[in-house]
Amino acid sequence: DQQVKQNSPSLSVQEGRISILNCDYTNSMFDYFLWYKKYPAEGPTFLISISSIKDKNEDGRFTVFLNKSAKHLSLHIVPSQPGDSAVYFCAASGGGSQGNLIFGKGTKLSVKP
Amino acid sequence: DVKVTQSSRYLVKRTGEKVFLECVQDMDHENMFWYRQDPGLGLRLIYFSYDVKMKEKGDIPEGYSVSREKKERFSLILESASTNQTSMYLCASSLVSDSPYNEQFFGPGTRLTVL
Repeated sequence: DQQVKQNSPSLSVQEGRISILNCDYTNSMFDYFLWYKKYPAEGPTFLISISSIKDKNEDGRFTVFLNKSAKHLSLHIVPSQPGDSAVYFCAASGGGSQGNLIFGKGTKLSVKP
Repeated sequence: DVKVTQSSRYLVKRTGEKVFLECVQDMDHENMFWYRQDPGLGLRLIYFSYDVKMKEKGDIPEGYSVSREKKERFSLILESASTNQTSMYLCASSLVSDSPYNEQFFGPGTRLTVL
């Protein structure tokens, strides 16, 4: 059973607009969440994270929001740029995951010029 | 600068061959991981290791084994490669095993094709 779900396999956005990538989780004991970005033929790179004691974390154009009651997090990219086109993975840890990261299946973001 | 390297970027092997994928990290991390990435399936954990000579099965260990003789090196072994093992293989490492704040650093990946 999937503990971390990214229900949108793909998302297409116009350059300059906001991209919103969503992630849901089922394990209420997860206490740390991460977003990774992956280009084709490269390994994932860490983008931004958030602890469960916060509800928002911002880094430049990237903001992650956490809604613990809904077990939902989202990544906002503003403004979106063509170089943001990649697959984005949501990941969670804590709650019996043995320190491992539990990954979602990813969302492919395409930013059109 | 943190670095995880993998021995090959692209590899083509025949069915039944024994395949070794090597991963080296220079960050003195205790934890190392092997994943495979397939379209629509995300990152699936094959094996992981918390220390030298230690290994733990992940979600999809069947058909794979691992070896960790040195802290910096974690090898993935396909004992008898099959076509369904054609995939992107990703190695990762992280610093501590008992903290939830454990960002993993990934290597560039090995695209393995089994014919």
